[in-house]
Amino acid sequence: QSALTQPRSVSGSPGQSVTISCTGTSSDVGAYNYISWYQQHPGRAPKLLIYDVSLRPSGVPDRFSGSKSGSTASLTLSGLQAEDDADYYCCSYAGTYTWMFGGGTKVTVL
Amino acid sequence: EVQLVESGGGLVQPGGSLRLSCAASGITFRNNWMHWVRQAPGKGLLWVSYINSDGSTTTYADSVKGRFTISRDNAKNTVYLQMNSLRAEDTAVYYCARDRSYSKDSWGLGTLVTVS
Repeated sequence: QSALTQPRSVSGSPGQSVTISCTGTSSDVGAYNYISWYQQHPGRAPKLLIYDVSLRPSGVPDRFSGSKSGSTASLTLSGLQAEDDADYYCCSYAGTYTWMFGGGTKVTVL
Repeated sequence: EVQLVESGGGLVQPGGSLRLSCAASGITFRNNWMHWVRQAPGKGLLWVSYINSDGSTTTYADSVKGRFTISRDNAKNTVYLQMNSLRAEDTAVYYCARDRSYSKDSWGLGTLVTVS
C-alpha cells in the first residue's frame, strides 16, 4: 500500500488557476471512479471537496473541479483566492474495501 | 448536522494499548460505513481502517493489520479503534470519518495519540 503521488507544492497568484495531479496505478486510480479530494488548513480536520472524480458536495464552490485520465486524477482550483492556501490530498479506492491517500500538496497563494 | 467526536487519545508507552471512540450524532448511524484516518505530526493523511454498517466487514492498512481492531456499537452510535502493540510510528492525530460514495464526507476534530 504505497501512497498516491502528488506534487509537494504548487503556487499561483490570486485569480489564477492551478492544477494538482494525483498519480496511482491500474489497481487504484486507474481502476475505479472513486477518487476524492480534501482540503486541510493547519490545525483543522480535512474537508471533502470532490468525490466520485468530479462531483462537489453541497456548499463547495464550483471553482474546484476534478477529473481523471487513466491512472492520474487532477484537481483544478480556478480563480485562486487567499483562503485556498492550504494542503490538498487525493484519495482513491483500491479495492476490497481499502483506500489510499496521496502524499499531499501544499498550495500557496502568492 | 453531522457531528463526530473522537475521544480516548493520550500518551502511552511503546507496546501499550489504547481504545479510541468516535460518537456520532445527526445521522442514522446504523446505515453508515465508517473509517479511521490518521495523520502523524507534520505528515500526510493515512487511511487506517474501515467498517461497514453492521460491523460484519472490517479492513485495515498493512501498517496496522494484526494490531488494531475496529468495531462499532450501533445502539450507542459509536465506532471504536482498539490499538494494541503500539509503536512510536503510530503517534498521530486519529480522525474518524463517515463514508459517502467511497469518500469521507464528515470528519471529527481528531484525537492525539502519542507513543513514547
